[in-house]
Amino acid sequence: QVQLVESGGGLVKPGGSLRLSCAASGFTFSDYYMSWIRQAPGKGLEWISYISSSGSPIYYTDSVKGRFTISRDNAKNSLYLQMNSLRAEDTAVYYCARHHYSGSFDYWGQGTLVTVSS
Amino acid sequence: DIVMTQSPDSLAVSLGERATINCKSSQSVLYNSNNKNYLTWYQQKPGQPPKLLIYWASTRESGVPDRFSGSGSGTDFTLTISSLQAEDVAVYYCQQYYSTPRTFGQGTRVEIK
Repeated sequence: QVQLVESGGGLVKPGGSLRLSCAASGFTFSDYYMSWIRQAPGKGLEWISYISSSGSPIYYTDSVKGRFTISRDNAKNSLYLQMNSLRAEDTAVYYCARHHYSGSFDYWGQGTLVTVSS
Repeated sequence: DIVMTQSPDSLAVSLGERATINCKSSQSVLYNSNNKNYLTWYQQKPGQPPKLLIYWASTRESGVPDRFSGSGSGTDFTLTISSLQAEDVAVYYCQQYYSTPRTFGQGTRVEIK
């Protein structure tokens, strides 16, 4: 069965960095586009970035451009999000999600919490 | 960016009654080349990630009960739960995948009256 497991979240000070990982299993990872989506506590969903199956193209939402970098290692069935210059407003649960053939997101991980606070 | 606006923000419906959630996009999400609306619906229960319910505005994902249905085209869409069950208590989100950035509605909370 399809599984996505995020890791790497935690407490970080403003201006700090974190690297999130998403381990995929149960499907041919290299065939699928992948996205990162976040949800601030008690708030709605915000798409952050996606990466194609081959690693290019890549897109970001404006609020993270220049600070976050998405990448993938198809040999390791893993998706990554390098987050630099973190701000309080980046505090959220971060989900990785697989793209459905239609373009929606058909499988989501359980999420990893990132807290940016001094 | 395409702005997605849902209404209402919350609703309370009696068990077995119909629940209707609306979603409006700031521009059309209909691709003329294939006549498909790039609009999807998710259900999120507390402490869980979202679950895909409907894609292409009206196609039910495999395993989703047939009491869930989606309709609409262009800029106006509706998610209908024909007979609300206790397990349907959740927040529902619409999302467009017509263009980047992908954008979500603010969510609609469905509760039991």
